[in-house]
Amino acid sequence: AQSVTQLGSHVSVSEGALVLLRCNYSSSVPPYLFWYVQYPNQGLQLLLKYTSAATLVKGINGFEAEFKKSETSFHLTKPSAHMSDAAEYFCAVTGGYGNKLVFGAGTILRVKS
Amino acid sequence: KAGVTQTPRYLIKTRGQQVTLSCSPISGHRSVSWYQQTPGQGLQFLFEYFSETQRNKGNFPGRFSGRQFSNSRSEMNVSTLELGDSALYLCASSLEGGDEQFFGPGTRLTVL
Repeated sequence: AQSVTQLGSHVSVSEGALVLLRCNYSSSVPPYLFWYVQYPNQGLQLLLKYTSAATLVKGINGFEAEFKKSETSFHLTKPSAHMSDAAEYFCAVTGGYGNKLVFGAGTILRVKS
Repeated sequence: KAGVTQTPRYLIKTRGQQVTLSCSPISGHRSVSWYQQTPGQGLQFLFEYFSETQRNKGNFPGRFSGRQFSNSRSEMNVSTLELGDSALYLCASSLEGGDEQFFGPGTRLTVL
């Protein structure tokens, strides 16, 4: 079985500051991990994914995440926040293709000018 | 290539009615999954269809059902609607053997 915990339901950063959104997972099989972003009244857009290749994964819009098996973590970072990054972010895990995505509760990112 | 489309985008129903939502996957994608998103429960997996067969099922009552057609389009049906069924219903498609799911914009269902 898989589960995801996202630490912090709300995160607030200043424009230009580092963005760090935390995600810890639990999985009984080698996990595939994903970060999705959701803007108001829209569906989910994939930011990046980890599927057992490189542990440091680069995604769209300057985001990246590092898979740390020893810490069961997959935190999302961006060096410099932009106003357009304000959205809700979801971490998700699956045991592989054809399996359901299990999502965390989400983190709402607010970017202050 | 067109993305995942869902119709209708918004629905208002009353308790006890039934509703059918439609999802057209990205061309070539044979797997379609459905998720329910609510403020209280977050994003929860409903079911997955692949080649017209249900391959995975989440923990929802039998009032929630789905099907997939030979062209990979999928529908989900909710019978005897309850107030708690008000949610955003998201559909996602993926390639056979693919690890990435592409989401549609969702159908917002309001049950009065």
